[in-house]
Amino acid sequence: KNEVEQSPQNLTAQEGEFITINCSYSVGISALHWLQQHPGGGIVSLFMLSSGKKKHGRLIATINIQEKHSSLHITASHPRDSAVYICAVRVAGSARQLTFGSGTQLTVLP
Amino acid sequence: DSGVTQTPKHLITATGQRVTLRCSPRSGDLSVYWYQQSLDQGLQFLIQYYNGEERAKGNILERFSAQQFPDLHSELNLSSLELGDSALYFCASSSSLWDNEQFFGPGTRLTVL
Repeated sequence: KNEVEQSPQNLTAQEGEFITINCSYSVGISALHWLQQHPGGGIVSLFMLSSGKKKHGRLIATINIQEKHSSLHITASHPRDSAVYICAVRVAGSARQLTFGSGTQLTVLP
Repeated sequence: DSGVTQTPKHLITATGQRVTLRCSPRSGDLSVYWYQQSLDQGLQFLIQYYNGEERAKGNILERFSAQQFPDLHSELNLSSLELGDSALYFCASSSSLWDNEQFFGPGTRLTVL
């Protein structure tokens, strides 16, 4: 079983819809990252969380440490949000760096 | 633009060859990370350097090595290349040793024929 599981694997939405991408992990962590990978391959860091909730524009990320779960929400989705969204965790007490989920491919249709 | 640069953008080479990928971190960032993204394995952490010293190792093959120079740029050396080494190689940088936002470079796409 992977340490980091994302759902759904693929998501198609209409422009304007509210989108939720989920990330579950099975280990204790010190931080969780949400990344966005554009079709050209470039990766952008969206959020780093260790507790609570963060908001940046139309993006909101939440984490529940007890339930080992994080969600990424996109409000008023737009075709330019189409990308792969990747959840990554740093295992607590480990010298290893980030362990990645397999990503969620989001397509927002106009 | 993250401020992290990687060269070259694309690299095509043959099996058995050796290549060097280069990364320049954001100004002031001391940590450099190398990641590999292949179709079958997804993103994997390879190695981290902090201020010139190796600090963490992930799934890096013995055929691969890296170093960080006094000017903080880093190089990833891949030798005895195999078809399965074809992947996107990303470098990222951050300001601190541990939990901190990482800024990713544009990646180097390596194709081994």
